[in-house]
Amino acid sequence: GEDVEQSLFLSVREGDSSVINCTYTDSSSTYLYWYKQEPGAGLQLLTYIFSNMDMKQDQRLTVLLNKKDKHLSLRIADTQTGDSAIYFCAEIPLSGGYNKLIFGAGTRLAVHP
Amino acid sequence: DSGVTQTPKHLITATGQRVTLRCSPRSGDLSVYWYQQSLDQGLQFLIQYYNGEERAKGNILERFSAQQFPDLHSELNLSSLELGDSALYFCASSPQPGQGGTEAFFGQGTRLTVV
Repeated sequence: GEDVEQSLFLSVREGDSSVINCTYTDSSSTYLYWYKQEPGAGLQLLTYIFSNMDMKQDQRLTVLLNKKDKHLSLRIADTQTGDSAIYFCAEIPLSGGYNKLIFGAGTRLAVHP
Repeated sequence: DSGVTQTPKHLITATGQRVTLRCSPRSGDLSVYWYQQSLDQGLQFLIQYYNGEERAKGNILERFSAQQFPDLHSELNLSSLELGDSALYFCASSPQPGQGGTEAFFGQGTRLTVV
């Protein structure tokens, strides 16, 4: 089936690292994505990882993929107040003909001083 | 700026009415995707068009329809509107029939409020 699950809230102190976790069900997904949505704004593609990779790093962002456990995580180093937003994990499964993204419910990240 | 343009940004209308949401894809992109973001359902795929033809269908109600025109812009038509249709409607585009890879870019969305 197609399902993506995320925890709903995460609160971190400014300067600390944030880790947002996600589990997905469809092992056929070739790409897994992280999107950011700021209040009142659209969806911003943050990063993605191809399913044959274990890790991808892009500046302050590190994506880890455990394909065996179908677990994806996004680590934000040195979290800033500007990182406060909702973060969505998404997969694009073969069952959908690679034509549709399946999103999690989103994790609301709150960064406090 | 993703290059995907959606209009209008906000729309308020009454129950029973019909509205049209518009999406202009990024230059060169042939595929357009529509998604609905609501409080109770989250982000849901509605429908995809590729080069003018419907390619994939998701959780789209029969009261909703879409089309893609020869200039590749797309319109999502919502009719007999209900309070529960209030949501943020996103459009995305990609150059290929599928959305895999780096081309999953979204517009800023149209916020529809049905009163």
